[in-house]
Amino acid sequence: KQEVTQIPAALSVPEGENLVLNCSFTDSAIYNLQWFRQDPGKGLTSLLLIQSSQREQTSGRLNASLDKSSGRSTLYIAASQPGDSATYLCAVKITGNQFYFGTGTSLTVIP
Amino acid sequence: NAGVMQNPRHLVRRRGQEARLRCSPMKGHSHVYWYRQLPEEGLKFMVYLQKENIIDESGMPKERFSAEFPKEGPSILRIQQVVRGDSAAYFCASSIYSGEETQYFGPGTRLLVL
Repeated sequence: KQEVTQIPAALSVPEGENLVLNCSFTDSAIYNLQWFRQDPGKGLTSLLLIQSSQREQTSGRLNASLDKSSGRSTLYIAASQPGDSATYLCAVKITGNQFYFGTGTSLTVIP
Repeated sequence: NAGVMQNPRHLVRRRGQEARLRCSPMKGHSHVYWYRQLPEEGLKFMVYLQKENIIDESGMPKERFSAEFPKEGPSILRIQQVVRGDSAAYFCASSIYSGEETQYFGPGTRLLVL
């Protein structure tokens, strides 16, 4: 059974810092990996989708990497802003149609 | 193009009542997925449906829970005889195809069972 772990569970950084969020998964046979953002009381917003054949994806200040063989992904956020404060979720899709989610990293960017 | 819509956004039920959660997928999307997020836990897959068909319900509790996605209208997640442990946020997602593409999530329905 696929298990997804995110470290750290919570992170607090001053504005302007670069930061890395980590995600690990136990079954490397994945279709894709996706990073989401969840704001309190709201739904999920897709940030980046990495297909199993890809190594990384970039969007603006965000860069996500994928190392299938080691079962790891990182989300790099450059020049963090207070508006980046949210919970970041990593999800992997394996055979079938299920996403397996981690429990998230709660990020606070201090102005 | 409106995103995935869920209603109600908040639902309060007493133990033993029924809860009906609705999800309208994005326009053109024929695949719907339901997830549950229990307090302090990650999202857990419940069920995957296409129009008029349940494709994968491996995450659905065996009793009291059912889902449908009729030819016309929204997808419905139905919880009969709710218990306090059903209190959670229920998210719906939709996609054009299954497989490798992304899923688009709705804002969720927060169910509170008193």
